[in-house]
Amino acid sequence: GQQVMQIPQYQHVQEGEDFTTYCNSSTTLSNIQWYKQRPGGHPVFLIQLVKSGEVKKQKRLTFQFGEAKKNSSLHITATQTTDVGTYFCAVGTGNQFYFGTGTSLTVIP
Amino acid sequence: KAGVTQTPRYLIKTRGQQVTLSCSPISGHRSVSWYQQTPGQGLQFLFEYFSETQRNKGNFPGRFSGRQFSNSRSEMNVSTLELGDSALYLCASSFGGEETQYFGPGTRLLVL
Repeated sequence: GQQVMQIPQYQHVQEGEDFTTYCNSSTTLSNIQWYKQRPGGHPVFLIQLVKSGEVKKQKRLTFQFGEAKKNSSLHITATQTTDVGTYFCAVGTGNQFYFGTGTSLTVIP
Repeated sequence: KAGVTQTPRYLIKTRGQQVTLSCSPISGHRSVSWYQQTPGQGLQFLFEYFSETQRNKGNFPGRFSGRQFSNSRSEMNVSTLELGDSALYLCASSFGGEETQYFGPGTRLLVL
């Protein structure tokens, strides 16, 4: 089945620092989605990327899809305590979703 | 539009018992997927149902089963519970299965 590797597994940053999580696949992806799960909560859809080299922004969040459509990244500028949580990338194929292992972000005030 | 609902939210069982969890998808969504989430294993796919048919199954033992009703509501059953089944069980609904997954709040199961 589809495998999606995500790094790093954990990241601690000082409030105001930037944060990036990476998602890599050995196969070409048709699309990739990103989800955020707050502590004690459930995953919430953030965005979907479809096109090669696509870049989308949501306020301080920047999402990129690689040119070869095999990797993706989520970058947060000037983190805030509200950014705390686990960020997952996910790939939907064959009527199934494959989630990356997630990156747990801790923001130190 | 109401979101995905799951019942019960919390459950405590003992080893050997069985449990049934329920999930009501967003109105109009015909696909329901179930996931097991544990601290060490992340989000593990259990199975996906679409129009009352199981289309995909993850790598879980046969003790884990599910079904979907004509109104798209889904149930998941775990028989002969083991300590390792303690986890957060999430269901997610979507229109067709590969689109955006809308998650419910989850059922937190503790097996003693």
